[in-house]
Amino acid sequence: AQRVTQPEKLLSVFKGAPVELKCNYSYSGSPELFWYVQYSRQRLQLLLRHISRESIKGFTADLNKGETSFHLKKPFAQEEDSAMYYCALKYNNAGNMLTFGGGTRLMVKP
Amino acid sequence: KAGVTQTPRYLIKTRGQQVTLSCSPISGHRSVSWYQQTPGQGLQFLFEYFSETQRNKGNFPGRFSGRQFSNSRSEMNVSTLELGDSALYLCASSLGGSETQYFGPGTRLLVL
Repeated sequence: AQRVTQPEKLLSVFKGAPVELKCNYSYSGSPELFWYVQYSRQRLQLLLRHISRESIKGFTADLNKGETSFHLKKPFAQEEDSAMYYCALKYNNAGNMLTFGGGTRLMVKP
Repeated sequence: KAGVTQTPRYLIKTRGQQVTLSCSPISGHRSVSWYQQTPGQGLQFLFEYFSETQRNKGNFPGRFSGRQFSNSRSEMNVSTLELGDSALYLCASSLGGSETQYFGPGTRLLVL
């Protein structure tokens, strides 16, 4: 069965420091990977998806099939990046069914 | 466009009762998915409806059911409520293919 693991429940960094939120998955096929973000008192929203290969709000994520990872990175964290981040996987022919990781709370200190 | 709306936003029920939650997708969206979010289990997929048909189902007992109407609005029902059903229930809508899913604010259910 597919599984998504986010090993860190909490990640605390200072403003301007690099950030890496880890995500590992287990799935034997070709998955589609996503990062969702939830800011305080806001809805869960899509941050980026691996097939788009784009940078959103300075964040990037590269799918590494060899290591089955999809880590989220940002070179210089900002205080407004503080939020809950969820990695999610969708496998082939699964409609819109997403398997989420447990989430990582990112705190960016001034 | 208006976003995904869910009603009610908060609900308190007692064990053994049943509950119906409603989700109105973004106009034009035909897929509606439901998720349960708890501190212990995180976000878990319940089911997805597309054009009034259940397209996917998660690993939840039969007490959890849903349906979708011709206007794409969806309801989920939980019968014989248990304390462990206390959770935030989220719905998400999309056009129907592999497009972005947009989430609603959720319905917070407390079972006493």
